[in-house]
Amino acid sequence: QKEVEQNSGPLSVPEGAIASLNCTYSDRGSQSFFWYRQYSGKSPELIMFIYSNGDKEDGRFTAQLNKASQYVSLLIRDSQPSDSATYLCAVVRPGGGGNKLTFGTGTQLKVEL
Amino acid sequence: DAGITQSPRHKVTETGTPVTLRCHQTENHRYMYWYRQDPGHGLRLIHYSYGVKDTDKGEVSDGYSVSRSKTEDFLLTLESATSSQTSVYFCAISESSGGLEQYFGPGTRLTVT
Repeated sequence: QKEVEQNSGPLSVPEGAIASLNCTYSDRGSQSFFWYRQYSGKSPELIMFIYSNGDKEDGRFTAQLNKASQYVSLLIRDSQPSDSATYLCAVVRPGGGGNKLTFGTGTQLKVEL
Repeated sequence: DAGITQSPRHKVTETGTPVTLRCHQTENHRYMYWYRQDPGHGLRLIHYSYGVKDTDKGEVSDGYSVSRSKTEDFLLTLESATSSQTSVYFCAISESSGGLEQYFGPGTRLTVT
């Protein structure tokens, strides 16, 4: 079992719809969770982080964390073609020093006109 | 922009040669990281640093060494490059205030022939 799992996609949504991206993690002690957006040929860009159970909203983005079920999700409202990218989920696992992140392999999102 | 630069941005080298990649930051952050990104594997941590001359291994450290003699510079050396080290290498930082969020540099594309 991978430590952080994401569906590779592509996930296709029409412009204006809600895109829902999911991530599961294996280590129940994980505390901190991050979503990065990566355009093709570019570096990952941090868009959301969440540390507590529940929802965290920032503009069109909402991160949801459910520690009991060991999943974290990212909702993108009013999806735009510019949201087309690969979204990476990352987790800080317990016991490691220096805030080491473990990444999933990413979900490719395509927003269609 | 977290004030991170990487050099070179592209490099082609031959098997068996040593290669050094440089990460430079301008904002005095304590933590610096080196990742590699490969299709199907996502981002994987190679080494990280939690201060000048303080470094530790990540999950894929074999064949790599690092040095940090100044706060602003974190060097990654491939001691004897192999074709399996063909990859995109990203440097990241996290802020000295103790935040867990990591911010990435633009990346270096390395090809070992």
